[in-house]
Amino acid sequence: DAKTTQPPSMDCAEGRAANLPCNHSTISGNEYVYWYRQIHSQGPQYIIHGLKNNETNEMASLIITEDRKSSTLILPHATLRDTAVYYCIVSESYNTDKLIFGTGTRLQVFP
Amino acid sequence: GAVVSQHPSRVICKSGTSVKIECRSLDFQATTMFWYRQFPKQSLMLMATSNEGSKATYEQGVEKDKFLINHASLTLSTLTVTSAHPEDSSFYICSARRTGTGTEAFFGQGTRLTVV
Repeated sequence: DAKTTQPPSMDCAEGRAANLPCNHSTISGNEYVYWYRQIHSQGPQYIIHGLKNNETNEMASLIITEDRKSSTLILPHATLRDTAVYYCIVSESYNTDKLIFGTGTRLQVFP
Repeated sequence: GAVVSQHPSRVICKSGTSVKIECRSLDFQATTMFWYRQFPKQSLMLMATSNEGSKATYEQGVEKDKFLINHASLTLSTLTVTSAHPEDSSFYICSARRTGTGTEAFFGQGTRLTVV
Protein backbone atom coordinates (compact mmCIF):
# COMPACT_ATOMS: atom_id res chain seq x y z
CA ASP A 1 0.00 0.00 0.00
CA ALA A 2 1.02 3.57 -0.64
CA LYS A 3 2.45 5.35 2.37
CA THR A 4 1.26 8.81 1.37
CA THR A 5 -1.98 10.76 1.47
CA GLN A 6 -2.80 13.52 -0.99
CA PRO A 7 -5.93 15.53 -1.76
CA PRO A 8 -7.67 14.07 -4.80
CA SER A 9 -7.86 17.32 -6.73
CA MET A 10 -6.80 20.96 -6.74
CA ASP A 11 -7.27 23.98 -8.96
CA CYS A 12 -4.81 26.75 -9.65
CA ALA A 13 -4.93 29.89 -11.74
CA GLU A 14 -2.36 30.21 -14.49
CA GLY A 15 0.64 32.24 -13.34
CA ARG A 16 -0.01 31.62 -9.68
CA ALA A 17 1.90 29.26 -7.42
CA ALA A 18 0.51 25.76 -7.02
CA ASN A 19 1.12 24.23 -3.60
CA LEU A 20 0.48 20.50 -3.47
CA PRO A 21 0.52 18.90 -0.01
CA CYS A 22 1.42 15.35 0.92
CA ASN A 23 1.24 13.52 4.22
CA HIS A 24 3.69 10.72 4.93
CA SER A 25 3.50 10.29 8.67
CA THR A 26 5.02 6.78 8.67
CA ILE A 27 8.11 7.68 6.68
CA SER A 28 11.26 5.97 7.90
CA GLY A 29 14.69 7.50 8.29
CA ASN A 30 16.08 6.02 5.07
CA GLU A 31 13.17 6.98 2.87
CA TYR A 32 13.19 9.86 0.45
CA VAL A 33 10.18 11.85 -0.71
CA TYR A 34 9.76 11.73 -4.49
CA TRP A 35 7.38 13.70 -6.65
CA TYR A 36 6.27 12.66 -10.10
CA ARG A 37 3.58 13.85 -12.41
CA GLN A 38 1.66 12.13 -15.15
CA ILE A 39 0.09 13.87 -18.07
CA HIS A 40 -2.68 11.94 -19.73
CA SER A 41 -1.55 8.79 -21.56
CA GLN A 42 2.15 9.33 -20.83
CA GLY A 43 4.60 7.74 -18.44
CA PRO A 44 5.26 9.53 -15.15
CA GLN A 45 7.75 12.38 -15.25
CA TYR A 46 10.21 12.92 -12.44
CA ILE A 47 9.95 16.32 -10.76
CA ILE A 48 12.05 16.43 -7.60
CA HIS A 49 13.04 14.47 -4.52
CA GLY A 50 14.50 15.09 -1.10
CA LEU A 51 15.47 13.45 2.16
CA LYS A 52 15.11 16.13 4.81
CA ASN A 53 16.33 19.41 3.39
CA ASN A 54 14.26 21.62 1.15
CA GLU A 55 15.12 21.22 -2.50
CA THR A 56 14.69 23.37 -5.59
CA ASN A 57 15.27 22.71 -9.25
CA GLU A 58 14.17 24.23 -12.53
CA MET A 59 10.73 22.66 -12.26
CA ALA A 60 9.70 23.02 -8.64
CA SER A 61 10.54 23.39 -4.98
CA LEU A 62 10.07 20.75 -2.33
CA ILE A 63 9.46 21.77 1.25
CA ILE A 64 9.76 18.98 3.83
CA THR A 65 8.67 19.59 7.42
CA GLU A 66 11.24 19.20 10.15
CA ASP A 67 9.60 16.02 11.44
CA ARG A 68 9.46 14.74 7.82
CA LYS A 69 5.84 13.71 8.23
CA SER A 70 4.61 15.93 5.43
CA SER A 71 5.83 17.87 2.45
CA THR A 72 4.67 20.40 -0.11
CA LEU A 73 5.50 20.57 -3.77
CA ILE A 74 5.52 24.12 -5.10
CA LEU A 75 5.17 25.00 -8.76
CA PRO A 76 6.04 28.70 -8.58
CA HIS A 77 4.27 29.91 -11.71
CA ALA A 78 1.78 27.33 -12.91
CA THR A 79 1.02 27.09 -16.62
CA LEU A 80 -1.69 25.22 -18.47
CA ARG A 81 0.89 22.55 -19.32
CA ASP A 82 1.25 21.78 -15.63
CA THR A 83 -2.23 20.26 -15.61
CA ALA A 84 -1.56 16.65 -14.59
CA VAL A 85 -1.84 14.10 -11.81
CA TYR A 86 0.89 14.64 -9.24
CA TYR A 87 2.15 11.73 -7.18
CA CYS A 88 4.04 11.94 -3.91
CA ILE A 89 5.92 8.74 -3.11
CA VAL A 90 8.21 7.71 -0.29
CA SER A 91 10.87 5.16 -1.01
CA GLU A 92 14.37 4.18 -0.17
CA SER A 93 16.68 5.24 -2.90
CA TYR A 94 18.55 2.21 -4.17
CA ASN A 95 17.99 1.00 -7.70
CA THR A 96 16.26 -2.09 -6.34
CA ASP A 97 13.71 -0.12 -4.32
CA LYS A 98 10.29 -0.04 -5.92
CA LEU A 99 8.00 2.97 -6.08
CA ILE A 100 4.44 2.40 -4.91
CA PHE A 101 1.97 4.92 -6.29
CA GLY A 102 -0.97 6.26 -4.36
CA THR A 103 -3.95 7.99 -5.90
CA GLY A 104 -2.20 11.33 -6.42
CA THR A 105 -3.60 14.84 -6.80
CA ARG A 106 -5.20 15.92 -10.03
CA LEU A 107 -4.08 19.52 -10.57
CA GLN A 108 -6.14 21.58 -12.96
CA VAL A 109 -4.58 24.87 -14.04
CA PHE A 110 -7.12 27.26 -15.48
CA PRO A 111 -6.62 30.42 -17.57
CA GLY B 1 19.35 12.89 -18.44
CA ALA B 2 18.71 9.20 -18.33
CA VAL B 3 16.03 7.85 -20.60
CA VAL B 4 13.93 4.74 -20.46
CA SER B 5 12.26 3.77 -23.70
CA GLN B 6 9.38 1.40 -24.38
CA HIS B 7 8.29 -0.25 -27.58
CA PRO B 8 5.71 -0.38 -28.99
CA SER B 9 3.82 2.66 -27.76
CA ARG B 10 0.54 1.21 -28.93
CA VAL B 11 -0.53 -2.29 -29.92
CA ILE B 12 -3.78 -3.97 -30.84
CA CYS B 13 -3.95 -7.74 -30.76
CA LYS B 14 -6.53 -10.47 -31.09
CA SER B 15 -7.81 -12.33 -28.10
CA GLY B 16 -5.73 -15.45 -27.44
CA THR B 17 -2.51 -14.14 -28.93
CA SER B 18 0.62 -13.01 -27.08
CA VAL B 19 2.17 -9.57 -27.07
CA LYS B 20 5.72 -8.60 -26.15
CA ILE B 21 6.61 -5.18 -24.79
CA GLU B 22 10.21 -4.02 -24.61
CA CYS B 23 11.74 -1.67 -22.07
CA ARG B 24 15.23 -0.29 -22.58
CA SER B 25 17.45 1.90 -20.48
CA LEU B 26 19.24 4.03 -23.06
CA ASP B 27 22.18 5.55 -21.22
CA PHE B 28 22.65 3.54 -18.05
CA GLN B 29 22.72 -0.07 -16.98
CA ALA B 30 19.68 -1.26 -15.09
CA THR B 31 20.03 -4.44 -13.08
CA THR B 32 16.48 -3.90 -11.87
CA MET B 33 13.46 -2.69 -13.79
CA PHE B 34 9.85 -2.39 -12.74
CA TRP B 35 6.63 -3.07 -14.63
CA TYR B 36 3.39 -1.28 -13.89
CA ARG B 37 -0.15 -1.48 -15.23
CA GLN B 38 -2.62 1.36 -15.25
CA PHE B 39 -6.34 1.15 -15.95
CA PRO B 40 -8.33 4.23 -17.00
CA LYS B 41 -8.68 6.84 -14.26
CA GLN B 42 -6.66 4.74 -11.85
CA SER B 43 -3.17 4.99 -10.46
CA LEU B 44 -0.19 2.90 -11.49
CA MET B 45 -0.16 -0.57 -10.03
CA LEU B 46 3.16 -2.34 -9.63
CA MET B 47 3.07 -5.73 -11.31
CA ALA B 48 6.59 -7.07 -10.91
CA THR B 49 10.25 -6.37 -10.39
CA SER B 50 12.49 -7.52 -13.21
CA ASN B 51 15.96 -8.68 -12.18
CA GLU B 52 18.81 -9.05 -14.66
CA GLY B 53 19.91 -12.64 -14.87
CA SER B 54 17.35 -14.02 -12.46
CA LYS B 55 13.64 -14.57 -12.06
CA ALA B 56 11.27 -11.67 -11.74
CA THR B 57 9.50 -10.96 -8.48
CA TYR B 58 5.75 -10.63 -8.89
CA GLU B 59 3.39 -8.65 -6.72
CA GLN B 60 0.56 -10.43 -5.00
CA GLY B 61 -2.27 -11.25 -7.36
CA VAL B 62 -0.23 -10.96 -10.56
CA GLU B 63 -0.06 -14.20 -12.54
CA LYS B 64 3.53 -14.97 -13.41
CA ASP B 65 2.57 -17.43 -16.14
CA LYS B 66 0.42 -14.84 -17.83
CA PHE B 67 2.85 -11.96 -17.61
CA LEU B 68 6.23 -13.35 -18.56
CA ILE B 69 9.20 -11.15 -17.77
CA ASN B 70 12.67 -11.59 -19.18
CA HIS B 71 15.61 -9.40 -18.22
CA ALA B 72 18.39 -10.87 -20.33
CA SER B 73 20.72 -7.89 -20.43
CA LEU B 74 21.57 -4.84 -18.37
CA THR B 75 19.61 -2.56 -20.68
CA LEU B 76 16.59 -4.60 -21.74
CA SER B 77 13.59 -6.09 -19.99
CA THR B 78 10.60 -7.56 -21.80
CA LEU B 79 7.06 -8.18 -20.66
CA THR B 80 5.03 -10.73 -22.61
CA VAL B 81 1.29 -10.83 -22.09
CA THR B 82 0.38 -14.41 -22.97
CA SER B 83 -3.00 -15.53 -24.26
CA ALA B 84 -4.28 -11.99 -24.03
CA HIS B 85 -7.92 -11.31 -23.25
CA PRO B 86 -9.89 -8.08 -23.43
CA GLU B 87 -9.52 -7.59 -19.67
CA ASP B 88 -5.75 -7.36 -20.20
CA SER B 89 -6.28 -4.18 -22.17
CA SER B 90 -4.42 -1.53 -20.21
CA PHE B 91 -1.54 0.94 -20.17
CA TYR B 92 1.73 -0.83 -19.33
CA ILE B 93 4.66 1.21 -18.06
CA CYS B 94 8.20 0.28 -17.14
CA SER B 95 10.76 2.10 -15.04
CA ALA B 96 14.37 1.84 -13.95
CA ARG B 97 16.78 3.59 -11.63
CA ARG B 98 20.49 4.16 -11.86
CA THR B 99 22.65 2.19 -9.49
CA GLY B 100 23.52 4.19 -6.40
CA THR B 101 21.82 6.09 -3.63
CA GLY B 102 19.51 9.04 -3.80
CA THR B 103 18.54 8.32 -7.35
CA GLU B 104 15.24 8.89 -9.04
CA ALA B 105 13.38 6.42 -11.21
CA PHE B 106 12.86 7.05 -14.89
CA PHE B 107 9.75 5.86 -16.65
CA GLY B 108 9.07 4.76 -20.17
CA GLN B 109 6.41 6.46 -22.23
CA GLY B 110 4.06 3.53 -21.75
CA THR B 111 2.44 0.96 -24.03
CA ARG B 112 -1.27 1.06 -24.69
CA LEU B 113 -2.47 -2.52 -25.19
CA THR B 114 -5.90 -3.16 -26.67
CA VAL B 115 -7.09 -6.74 -26.95
CA VAL B 116 -10.00 -7.28 -29.35
